[in-house]
Amino acid sequence: LAKTTQPISMDSYEGQEVNITCSHNNIATNDYITWYQQFPSQGPRFIIQGYKTKVTNEVASLFIPADRKSSTLSLPRVSLSDTAVYYCLVGDSDYKLSFGAGTTVTVRA
Amino acid sequence: KAGVTQTPRYLIKTRGQQVTLSCSPISGHRSVSWYQQTPGQGLQFLFEYFSETQRNKGNFPGRFSGRQFSNSRSEMNVSTLELGDSALYLCASSGLAGDHLLEQFFGPGTRLTVL
Repeated sequence: LAKTTQPISMDSYEGQEVNITCSHNNIATNDYITWYQQFPSQGPRFIIQGYKTKVTNEVASLFIPADRKSSTLSLPRVSLSDTAVYYCLVGDSDYKLSFGAGTTVTVRA
Repeated sequence: KAGVTQTPRYLIKTRGQQVTLSCSPISGHRSVSWYQQTPGQGLQFLFEYFSETQRNKGNFPGRFSGRQFSNSRSEMNVSTLELGDSALYLCASSGLAGDHLLEQFFGPGTRLTVL
């Protein structure tokens, strides 16, 4: 399985921007990078997906450098309800799906 | 459109028993993936099925197996249960664009407790 690395936790305050970086050195040429959000006792929920450069939707942005060995999820102006665990999902050279260990983001008032 | 459903939601078994979990994907989705989530190991990939064929497999022992039916519904089976198998088992369904899995939609999970 691909080795993905994310920070274990991050703290932030309401209204700030949160950036979470995931390292994925074994990403396959044709694989996409997908980020999920998970609240306690719920299944993960899709946030955003991209292949290269920058992708933006109504809740987040995803920045992917040219070598695609990392990606950064950017959450603008977080609120208390953004407190959750965030996972990045990529495929490795064997095309097996791999979640990172997850980053616990805590947003404080 | 109905979401991913998993049954049962909760299950209690004893060591040595076997268990079968069921997942019904979103209508039209042909890919079903299974994950195990524990506090210590996080979210770990078990296997993925597409059109009744297992395409990908994670690093789990052979006690963990699965199958997919022609209607895309999937089951996973764990035999000879161990205490360490206690976990939340999540199923996710997805459409495909070529070989690339699109957004995965997760079910609520089955909470398995092994005593």
